[in-house]
Order: sequence, then structure tokens, then C-alpha cells
Amino acid sequence: QQQVKQSPQSLIVQKGGISIINCAYENTAFDYFPWYQQFPGKGPALLIAIRPDVSEKKEGRFTISFNKSAKQFSLHIMDSQPGDSATYFCAATSDDRGSTLGRLYFGRGTQLTVWP
Amino acid sequence: NAGVTQTPKFRVLKTGQSMTLLCAQDMNHEYMYWYRQDPGMGLRLIHYSVGEGTTAKGEVPDGYNVSRLKKQNFLLGLESAAPSQTSVYFCATSLLSGTEAFFGQGTRLTVV
Repeated sequence: QQQVKQSPQSLIVQKGGISIINCAYENTAFDYFPWYQQFPGKGPALLIAIRPDVSEKKEGRFTISFNKSAKQFSLHIMDSQPGDSATYFCAATSDDRGSTLGRLYFGRGTQLTVWP
Repeated sequence: NAGVTQTPKFRVLKTGQSMTLLCAQDMNHEYMYWYRQDPGMGLRLIHYSVGEGTTAKGEVPDGYNVSRLKKQNFLLGLESAAPSQTSVYFCATSLLSGTEAFFGQGTRLTVV
């Protein structure tokens, strides 16, 4: 059973537009929701993360929106730039060390292309 | 400060050969992970470790073994490589559960 479902699989946006990637999770025990950005030939790197005590977190052009009741969270990239072209992964985990949930569960990724 | 270092970066194996991938971290993190990345499949967890001397199975453990004899190193072994194990392998670490994970640069493995 896939713990984190991500959509869309690919996304094409014009420069200056808004990119939106959505994720849904299954287990209500998850309490840390990071987004990772991966460029070709590189390992994923943390972009932004949120905990369920807030509904939104913004860092520059990147915003996470979190809906606890719907078990959904999304990444919004404002004023998308060609340099944002990368693969984005959402993930979920729990800080419950005694549980197998204490590791990251990843979505399948979204390949974002921003046209100049 | 190197962070997470994977060795080797590239490798070609023949079917049936064995090899070991090394992950070394200098961040004193407790948790270490091995993932494989295949097109359209995201990052799938092979094995992980919550501390020195401990290992646990992830989503796709078959055909792989791991060891964590020292806190800073996590080894992934393929005893008899198969073409289905052609993939990009990533090691990651995190200080504790429920915290940020740091990834290595990856190992591109081809089994012919």
C-alpha cells in the first residue's frame, strides 16, 4: 500500500507561472512532511518542510499548504523559473522512534519543466 | 565536511557478480537508509538502520544485504547481481526519526 501518493507525474509550466504539486497520505501518525528537489545526476535535497501544527509555510517563492483533515499537502512554486526545472518528491514520516513509521515514505515524484 | 559520501559513483556488473556499495557519513547521524530510484517509481527503500549494529528491511529488500558495523558506515551488498537491479542507488542519513534526510550523490549501477 502506497503511503504517499503524488500527482501529477509531470508538469510543464511557463516562466512566471505557478507550479502546483499535490500529495496525499494515509497514516495520521505522520507528523513531518518534507519536499525534496532533485536535479539530474544529483541526490535529492530538502527544499521545504512542514509539521501539522500549521496550515501553511512559505520560504521565498516556495509554499507548502497543508490540510490535516483531508490528509493532503501541496507545493506551490510562484513565479516559476527555468532553474526550477527538476524532479520534486513529497514525503512523510513520524518521529515515533519505536514505530516503523520513523522513516521517510516518498511519493513517486513530479518532473517539472519550466519553459522560458 | 563531506556529509554523505557514496562509493563508487558508477559501476557495471555482469549477471551473477557480487559487489558492495559503501555509504559514509560524517554528521554523526543515527539513521541511515539505502534507496533505489527507477524511472516513474520514485525512491524505494531497500534497507535502513536506526543505529550502529541494527538493520531493518524496507519495501524492496530481496537480493540485497546490509551491514552497519560502525555508526558512520552503511554497506549495501549484492550477492548475485541481476539485470533487475540496474538502478541508481542513494544513501541517506537523518539525525533521528522524523527529521530531515541528507542524501549522497548516488551510485549508478548497470547489470548486464
